[in-house]
Amino acid sequence: EDKVVQSPLSLVVHEGDTVTLNCSYEVTNFRSLLWYKQEKKAPTFLFMLTSSGIEKKSGRLSSILDKKELFSILNITATQTGDSAIYLCAVTVQGAQKLVFGQGTRLTINP
Amino acid sequence: GAVVSQHPSRVICKSGTSVKIECRSLDFQATTMFWYRQFPKKSLMLMATSNEGSKATYEQGVEKDKFLINHASLTLSTLTVTSAHPEDSSFYICSATLVGTSGTKQYFGPGTRLTVT
Repeated sequence: EDKVVQSPLSLVVHEGDTVTLNCSYEVTNFRSLLWYKQEKKAPTFLFMLTSSGIEKKSGRLSSILDKKELFSILNITATQTGDSAIYLCAVTVQGAQKLVFGQGTRLTINP
Repeated sequence: GAVVSQHPSRVICKSGTSVKIECRSLDFQATTMFWYRQFPKKSLMLMATSNEGSKATYEQGVEKDKFLINHASLTLSTLTVTSAHPEDSSFYICSATLVGTSGTKQYFGPGTRLTVT
């Protein structure tokens, strides 16, 4: 059975800190790994990773994939209160469009 | 960009009644849509894959007779929760798949909060 595990499940830090969120996976015929941010409503897309070792960056957020060790990390530097959200990691497999989600990491940034 | 809408955004119904939730892709056609359920402070749980013009594919443990899915057109999928019970209260989110030159992406609707009293 395809499985995606995120850690930590919950994280509370102060504004300005740097955080690293983890996502490991066990799937057959991996195709891509995606990161989403969910605030009150629908998840919003952050990154899609398909190749190992290539960092993707968007402002203070960055992510990288390790296909040998089967994990990805999402880094957020100089955190702000607006970064508070649930961060979801999901994986797709070859030949299927569905996303397999991890449990999510609830990130809280305190002022 | 690709926009997916859901209607209603919030619904309260009585136990035993049925509720229909609509998911629409507003500016693109989606042959495949997905329905998820999310419990408070939990991740998204895939319920079923909705395929235009054919029967939905349900995930293990999801009752197909309870959660009826109809994907009648390339822009609309509906989820009907039949004979709703309080334990069906949840946040239901749909997503629609857009196949483009840079690959396939899923776009999420804003979700529907269902409360069964």
